[in-house]
Amino acid sequence: NAGVTQTPKFQVLKTGQSMTLQCAQDMNHNSMYWYRQDPGMGLRLIYYSASEGTTDKGEVPNGYNVSRLNKREFSLRLESAAPSQTSVYFCASETYGLEAFFGQGTRLTVV
Amino acid sequence: QKEVEQNSGPLSVPEGAIASLNCTYSDRGSQSFFWYRQYSGKSPELIMFIYSNGDKEDGRFTAQLNKASQYVSLLIRDSQPSDSATYLCAVNIGGGSEKLVFGKGTKLTVNP
Repeated sequence: NAGVTQTPKFQVLKTGQSMTLQCAQDMNHNSMYWYRQDPGMGLRLIYYSASEGTTDKGEVPNGYNVSRLNKREFSLRLESAAPSQTSVYFCASETYGLEAFFGQGTRLTVV
Repeated sequence: QKEVEQNSGPLSVPEGAIASLNCTYSDRGSQSFFWYRQYSGKSPELIMFIYSNGDKEDGRFTAQLNKASQYVSLLIRDSQPSDSATYLCAVNIGGGSEKLVFGKGTKLTVNP
């Protein structure tokens, strides 16, 4: 049982480049999330998907897009990376109201 | 008003003491409340959840919920240096757009 698999673990981008962070869960969870974590800021919600086929903006969605490809997979895309997007990104999944499980995180640096 | 707020800390306690962490939330309809622990460089992991008003105990950890005051807390008794971590309060916010929202976290240091 792999839980939540998130790739890549590390990435360095140049300003203006694009990339997609991949996330997959094998726990049959309905809800999936993308968060970013900056020092002293906790986990800030970027986008979430309460069920397959739906996505909603969180607190900090600007500069990001998401795709809920199927029930297992939820990807996060940066179309034109900016230094302000340097952060640690976490994917998570849950059945609403129960424990959330997290991926290992992606440490992204935009130079 | 932020959906979930925590006293920002940092919090420093001596080994063996009680550490008290607090959290408030804005959505009166919220039903599920969580405390996650995050060690430096690691992913958050669940340590406690609580759904009903009152206290819930699990070993050295006690979660307290007061829905009328929109307040949830975590007490760590007999604190150990291994408890040094950031503690994140999380709330399932409902109202038709169910989502899991976290506070900023409180960094706890337990001094030997």
